[in-house]
Amino acid sequence: DGGITQSPKYLFRKEGQNVTLSCEQNLNHDAMYWYRQDPGQGLRLIYYSQIVNDFQKGDIAEGYSVSREKKESFPLTVTSAQKNPTAFYLCASSTAGRADTQYFGPGTRLTVL
Amino acid sequence: SQKIEQNSEALNIQEGKTATLTCNYTNYSPAYLQWYRQDPGRGPVFLLLIRENEKEKRKERLKVTFDTTLKQSLFHITASQPADSATYLCALDPLGGNNRLAFGKGNQVVVIP
Repeated sequence: DGGITQSPKYLFRKEGQNVTLSCEQNLNHDAMYWYRQDPGQGLRLIYYSQIVNDFQKGDIAEGYSVSREKKESFPLTVTSAQKNPTAFYLCASSTAGRADTQYFGPGTRLTVL
Repeated sequence: SQKIEQNSEALNIQEGKTATLTCNYTNYSPAYLQWYRQDPGRGPVFLLLIRENEKEKRKERLKVTFDTTLKQSLFHITASQPADSATYLCALDPLGGNNRLAFGKGNQVVVIP
């Protein structure tokens, strides 16, 4: 059963704590992405990776960090430097060719108290 | 500045009618454009992709057009059903040479039985 999973579905953290969101895919995709979605807003790209051990900043990378040690996994850390971390976070993957469609996970809703 | 614009007002439509959504873009020269469906609290799901040299693409009750002169894509759902109620996102490739996507904010469709 191929797909992309994110865990947990809901996450609560205290202000000032770092938190890591999990993203795993078994689609054998080379490229992976992290987006943030706020109410009434479109998806904004945080980081993306087109190959293992390499990743690039997206449009809103400040306060976030990622790693890509394995093809299947692309965890996102929301650091205490992110000023407004409460949001819906979506992970996606695709093959590395241009014009390839993206497959999205179910999302993690992070609430910072 | 670069913009992808979708109507922020929800489209309420009677069951059986055709829903038409618009995606306008400014200061982009996309080679292709994609449409996704997103249900509340879930990740987007890919629907259709249309390339710059294609005028129209169809998939079952869905039809997409792409006018690079007008910088506009239209998305049609024919014979709409209550199950079509969702938010529809358009996305395009903002940069040449990679597989990043830039998303519009989405347009909600509500199909009234």
